[in-house]
Amino acid sequence: SAVISQKPSRDICQRGTSLTIQCQVDSQVTMMFWYRQQPGQSLTLIATANQGSEATYESGFVIDKFPISRPNLTFSTLTVSNMSPEDSSIYLCSVRTGGNYGYTFGSGTRLTVV
Amino acid sequence: AQSVTQPDIHITVSEGASLELRCNYSYGATPYLFWYVQSPGQGLQLLLKYFSGDTLVQGIKGFEAEFKRSQSSFNLRKPSVHWSDAAEYFCAVMTTDSWGKLQFGAGTQVVVTP
Repeated sequence: SAVISQKPSRDICQRGTSLTIQCQVDSQVTMMFWYRQQPGQSLTLIATANQGSEATYESGFVIDKFPISRPNLTFSTLTVSNMSPEDSSIYLCSVRTGGNYGYTFGSGTRLTVV
Repeated sequence: AQSVTQPDIHITVSEGASLELRCNYSYGATPYLFWYVQSPGQGLQLLLKYFSGDTLVQGIKGFEAEFKRSQSSFNLRKPSVHWSDAAEYFCAVMTTDSWGKLQFGAGTQVVVTP
């Protein structure tokens, strides 16, 4: 299965600022997924990122707040814009490697907004 | 629409005792089902998955799960838990649309007592 490098692993940010999270995969993948895990909660899908096209956002998530880039088949970024304390969460990227390999997750970015 | 339910939010088990975590799904066809574990401060690790075939699936760390279509269940079991099994466990189902997104249950927190 694929190996994902996600960074930063954690950050503390001021409200009103933006943070860009990076995910690097060690193999080419068609789709990358971005999830949010709020404190004590399950994972919620933010968007699906396909190389060469705009990301597809789930209900409740908008591009202005969570812009995503997918410049090639091994890399993607998620930006959390104009942050508020409610954005404090763990953000995870994931890839589906095809076949029966299942899904691989990055180690996550723990974001605290103060 | 697909959904997955984990009825137990929190389970406490003694070290050496058996463990069973429940997962129920709602889906019209044969689902693709997964169990993930998230240890404190860690990302998600795949324990096992079911796509088709043998309904008893063996995973890593001594875990197994059984797919029961008649009960719409995919319960996770371990005969003898170790203190290191204390973690959050998530059941997930893969959706039917072409993007292959994962939908997660709410999770079950497992506490292991001496």
